[in-house]
Amino acid sequence: GAGVSQTPSNKVTEKGKYVELRCDPISGHTALYWYRQSLGQGPEFLIYFQGTGAADDSGLPNDRFFAVRPEGSVSTLKIQRTERGDSAVYLCASSLNAGGTDTQYFGPGTRLTVL
Amino acid sequence: AQSVTQLDSHVSVSEGTPVLLRCNYSSSYSPSLFWYVQHPNKGLQLLLKYTSAATLVKGINGFEAEFKKSETSFHLTKPSAHMSDAAEYFCVVSGGYGGSQGNLIFGKGTKLSVKP
Repeated sequence: GAGVSQTPSNKVTEKGKYVELRCDPISGHTALYWYRQSLGQGPEFLIYFQGTGAADDSGLPNDRFFAVRPEGSVSTLKIQRTERGDSAVYLCASSLNAGGTDTQYFGPGTRLTVL
Repeated sequence: AQSVTQLDSHVSVSEGTPVLLRCNYSSSYSPSLFWYVQHPNKGLQLLLKYTSAATLVKGINGFEAEFKKSETSFHLTKPSAHMSDAAEYFCVVSGGYGGSQGNLIFGKGTKLSVKP
């Protein structure tokens, strides 16, 4: 079946601009996660949704970052007033449920470059 | 708080020789532990996971890992490396409890190179 998909695959923007990154999870998965991977580092947790609600947003670095999942399926990560330090690969994952033992399936990521 | 430490940033082996990628964890709770692999320009793929059942966990592509509570280790091994194993490997622990239990905490990664 179809895996997790993310669009766009690459996004180049200028400092100060607004960007949206989209994630389509595996059909039927109730939990959706966002991670950020900087060059040479492991992914870092940003936020996760159980259904439509954000169950844990403790990883969001500041209030310029926001994410929604209005219908419990597709999610959008929104970044306002982008900064050069926001450049990274943004990864989305989904799992059947939100338990600690559930396997998370990752998408290919969106590479964001802020000039 | 949960954390993992990957002891080697880079491991180089010859094709056909054993692979050992080392990982130590820190956890206040009985952890769930994972190994993920990331090939260049591809998404993260789960190799195997430990969830408090058998301590020796077998994964895909001939990899396995052993959970050792006394040593707080979860090292990844493979008896014989293949060229296609060259990739970045991440040791991962789940976030712990309550609302954060599903969050994954990644190590910094070990890059595996395989020489012909």
